Amino acid sequence: DTGVSQNPRHKITKRGQNVTFRCDPISEHNRLYWYRQTLGQGPEFLTYFQNEAQLEKSRLLSDRFSAERPKGSFSTLEIQRTEQGDSAMYLCASSSDDRDSYTFGSGTRLTVV
Amino acid sequence: AQKVTQAQTEISVVEKEDVTLDCVYETRDTTYYLFWYKQPPSGELVFLIRRNSFDEQNEISGRYSWNFQKSTSSFNFTITASQVVDSAVYFCALSSNTGGFKTIFGAGTRLFVKA
Repeated sequence: DTGVSQNPRHKITKRGQNVTFRCDPISEHNRLYWYRQTLGQGPEFLTYFQNEAQLEKSRLLSDRFSAERPKGSFSTLEIQRTEQGDSAMYLCASSSDDRDSYTFGSGTRLTVV
Repeated sequence: AQKVTQAQTEISVVEKEDVTLDCVYETRDTTYYLFWYKQPPSGELVFLIRRNSFDEQNEISGRYSWNFQKSTSSFNFTITASQVVDSAVYFCALSSNTGGFKTIFGAGTRLFVKA
């Protein structure tokens, strides 16, 4: 297993455009998490899945954000009508259960211009 | 409420010095887990250690050691004989039942180790 994979690594988009990021977790991990990290801050929780079920969404996740994990494997995070404030590193992590440590991907750095 | 506070924003040391990174946490749960992660300049967060709330035994792993004290709600991390490769941002984190065992992170401490 090659760990948690995120694509793309970098994304530059114009304000108002939609973007979609993909995360492929470690195959035997049933929990998948999305976090957002801005400069000088720790990762902030956005949402998480257990298998295909989205169990919790942060209040940070406005209605422009949607995440899916259709078959309990990979996940996508879509941001509609991007705003400059969405510029951040979007991190995906997976774990084998709710008390385990996370394995993080390298992140997708989004820049909205 | 759950919270993790890392009061030290940046620390700069000279190689071979010992350095301690502080972490204070808040939770009302009796069952919780504490973590440290390292984020090197490459950006990928790397897991270092996990402790559960029932195990206050300190741990040593090579040059790294962790001091968990429930009485002061602290989980401090010490690097002995620091090296340039230790330069990174270090995050302390907490997960507990109230938070659905999702992990919340502190703001991080950036460590610079100069040669």
